[in-house]
Amino acid sequence: EPEVTQTPSHQVTQMGQEVILRCVPISNHLYFYWYRQILGQKVEFLVSFYNNEISEKSEIFDDQFSVERPDGSNFTLKIRSTKLEDSAMYFCASRVRLAGGPPTYNEQFFGPGTRLTVL
Amino acid sequence: RKEVEQDPGPFNVPEGATVAFNCTYSNSASQSFFWYRQDCRKEPKLLMSVYSSGNEDGRFTAQLNRASQYISLLIRDSKLSDSATYLCVVNKMDSNYQLIWGAGTKLIIKP
Repeated sequence: EPEVTQTPSHQVTQMGQEVILRCVPISNHLYFYWYRQILGQKVEFLVSFYNNEISEKSEIFDDQFSVERPDGSNFTLKIRSTKLEDSAMYFCASRVRLAGGPPTYNEQFFGPGTRLTVL
Repeated sequence: RKEVEQDPGPFNVPEGATVAFNCTYSNSASQSFFWYRQDCRKEPKLLMSVYSSGNEDGRFTAQLNRASQYISLLIRDSKLSDSATYLCVVNKMDSNYQLIWGAGTKLIIKP
């Protein structure tokens, strides 16, 4: 069964450093997402990406964040200058786009996440 | 009012019991509704989509009441493996299915 993969599983970095989190979405999916979950808190939307551009972004997704789909398979999230409060689990998700259909067609498939620890 | 609100939990129930989760959402125009399950330090996994007519999958039953903006999940004959956090999720209207997440309700099944 196809699945979303993410690397690394755990990233430790110093405050102020740049990090790149990598995701490989399911191959026939067209919509891509990043979410984060601070330990003990709810999942929060960061950004959605379609047709090689950002579709939507949340208030969390400020100028320190960027996304890219460099080669048609990878989908990356870059944090330019990490802060302590960026420590969280970052989940990538992808969705196949179908016109109409039942709610299950909207299912987003999640990767296992990258745990980012900023020291 | 929170966009998606759930019982805070945790729920501690004995194995075999029936458990009900409740969820309310604030945007009446929302169209897609889901229950996800999340195990500790793992990614969320889709448990069920919620249809307007209600739907059942084995021991799990989901209901939607659009008038009350209320979603429910019922687990019958609960098992130890059902222990997890259950997340109510709603899509945000006028968006590319950006998902709005409830804080989750933790379920602990005791033998």
